[in-house]
Amino acid sequence: EAGVAQSPRYKIIEKRQSVAFWCNPISGHATLYWYQQILGQGPKLLIQFQNNGVVDDSQLPKDRFSAERLKGVDSTLKIQPAKLEDSAVYLCASSPRDRGSYNEQFFGPGTRLTVL
Amino acid sequence: QKEVEQNSGPLSVPEGAIASLNCTYSDRVSQSFFWYRQYSGKSPELIMSIYSNGDKEDGRFTAQLNKASQYVSLLIRDSQPSDSATYLCAAGGGGNKLTFGTGTQLKVEL
Repeated sequence: EAGVAQSPRYKIIEKRQSVAFWCNPISGHATLYWYQQILGQGPKLLIQFQNNGVVDDSQLPKDRFSAERLKGVDSTLKIQPAKLEDSAVYLCASSPRDRGSYNEQFFGPGTRLTVL
Repeated sequence: QKEVEQNSGPLSVPEGAIASLNCTYSDRVSQSFFWYRQYSGKSPELIMSIYSNGDKEDGRFTAQLNKASQYVSLLIRDSQPSDSATYLCAAGGGGNKLTFGTGTQLKVEL
């Protein structure tokens, strides 16, 4: 079974530029998550989708970050404009259909973003 | 504010010893708990999940949960140099959301 796919793996941009990340979850997984992981910290949830609907985006900086999952499968996360503090690894994870709290999440390889 | 606390380490153990990693959580509503291993420059990899009080064993790994004390631990028996990584503890609450700790760095020395 193929894992979570993400691209690009690395991205370097200058502040105020825009960037987009793509994620394709494990086949059949209904729930998709985007996390931000800053060096030395645990992953922080940015947004959670159930199929193509947003479940939780309470920690997404909506003035600069946006995300969509139009057909309930793959997803894109965009930052516009980027700030220096956005330098981090952006992780996508997916989990099977909703089973309450007992839903294991599986991570993709991540995209390492450097903002100069 | 839901929190998951871990000692950042590094925790150093000799090869062949038992490594004990600990985690506490603040939200009593949390029902599921996960341990992820993260090698430097890589993404988190799920190694254990536990939902009920007590112990759960999988190979060299044993997860322990004590909901009364809001405490989760991971024991790694016969530690190997390949176990050297950061171990992330995560607590799951309503809506399938996970709250992660900052991770404990484990170093297994030859």
